[in-house]
Amino acid sequence: GAVVSQHPSRVICKSGTSVKIECRSLDFQATTMFWYRQFPKQSLMLMATSNEGSKATYEQGVEKDKFLINHASLTLSTLTVTSAHPEDSSFYICSAISGQDSYEQYFGPGTRLTVT
Amino acid sequence: AQSVTQPDIHITVSEGASLELRCNYSYGATPYLFWYVQSPGQGLQLLLKYFSGDTLVQGIKGFEAEFKRSQSSFNLRKPSVHWSDAAEYFCAVAPSGGYQKVTFGTGTKLQVIP
Repeated sequence: GAVVSQHPSRVICKSGTSVKIECRSLDFQATTMFWYRQFPKQSLMLMATSNEGSKATYEQGVEKDKFLINHASLTLSTLTVTSAHPEDSSFYICSAISGQDSYEQYFGPGTRLTVT
Repeated sequence: AQSVTQPDIHITVSEGASLELRCNYSYGATPYLFWYVQSPGQGLQLLLKYFSGDTLVQGIKGFEAEFKRSQSSFNLRKPSVHWSDAAEYFCAVAPSGGYQKVTFGTGTKLQVIP
């Protein structure tokens, strides 16, 4: 089956610094990738949709200048949390779809971000 | 706008007992429906999906779900629960014809007791 990886799985950073999270589709080309944020004991909230080679589409209320998304290739999307603050601490999950089977999202294992 | 309701936040069942997790959706037409499972600190794994056709859908790990249009429901079932099934389960809905704007329910945490 289709595999999506995320790196790092856990990251701790200091307030005010930036951190980059990578999402890779390992065995398929991902035409579209999604970034979700999950708060403790809550559901996934879609942050943005990224298509290879174009600007990401952000959901209402998500600061595009704070959460920078780059979908540079068909197998890699990155989420950079800029000037992180403790309230950005969360579980970030990416997912990807391939052009041939665009109805099913394949999820990465998630990245736990803790901002101190 | 589409929405998903999972009325049970937390369910506890004994190992070997049957399980049913409830999911109700709101959408103007027949949506695409999904059930995902999430183990602690992990991403989501697709258990099963419904796009069209047979309303009883078989998934992995012995799970099944039934789409009932009249009740706007897509309940997840398993005849005999194993301790390894303890996890969080999410029902999700997407507009038919595309993947965009998948909406997740708030999840049901399943606890399995010996």
